[in-house]
Amino acid sequence: EVQVVESGGGLVRPGGSLRLSCTASGFPFNTYWMHWVRQVPGEGLVWVSHIDGAGSGTTYADSVRGRFTVSRDNVKNTLYLQMNSLRVDDTAVYFCASGGRAYSIGYWGQGTLVTVSS
Amino acid sequence: QTVVTQEPSFSVSPGGTVTLTCGLSSGLVYTTHYPSWYQQAPGQAPRTLIYNTNIRSSGVPDRFSGSILGNKAALTIAGAQADDESDYYCLLYMGGDILLFGRGTKLTVL
Repeated sequence: EVQVVESGGGLVRPGGSLRLSCTASGFPFNTYWMHWVRQVPGEGLVWVSHIDGAGSGTTYADSVRGRFTVSRDNVKNTLYLQMNSLRVDDTAVYFCASGGRAYSIGYWGQGTLVTVSS
Repeated sequence: QTVVTQEPSFSVSPGGTVTLTCGLSSGLVYTTHYPSWYQQAPGQAPRTLIYNTNIRSSGVPDRFSGSILGNKAALTIAGAQADDESDYYCLLYMGGDILLFGRGTKLTVL
């Protein structure tokens, strides 16, 4: 059974940092792209970042480039999102998801809420 | 800045057929955008329905189908059921390993 579980969300002040983690099982983690997608409550999905299976290739949405860093540990089957210089508009539920076939998204986690507020 | 366009809302009668579309502010949607579609019920994580324009994800009923219609990607739901009432998002590959979601369509079944 595939499981994707995020952790690390919480309340942080503007300008602060937070690291999200995502543990995956039930599929060959090291061969899959992984993504972060976020969603402001009541609004739409926004793709944030991807990392390839080896961890050597990463891309970011313009809104987070230079502030967020995605990484992975294929021994621990874990994906990370280091978020620095957080802003109020980074407040969202952050979903971890595997890449699917043909540039799609396959398996989704349940999300972790990040709230940036003073 | 390129925007992926979707109808904000749509309504369908139970048993009816509805087609949701996914366009690009900058031009046409092609199969090389690898359009995919996701269903998100209230309070739930998204679920993958369609990838690579028209391939159903495992376990997705054949009432759901994807295509390119004119200059847009399209998701057609036939025989609409009450539990199809959800938000639907398309996702496009924009090149350079960058993906972009549409803003979603809220589907009401009534």
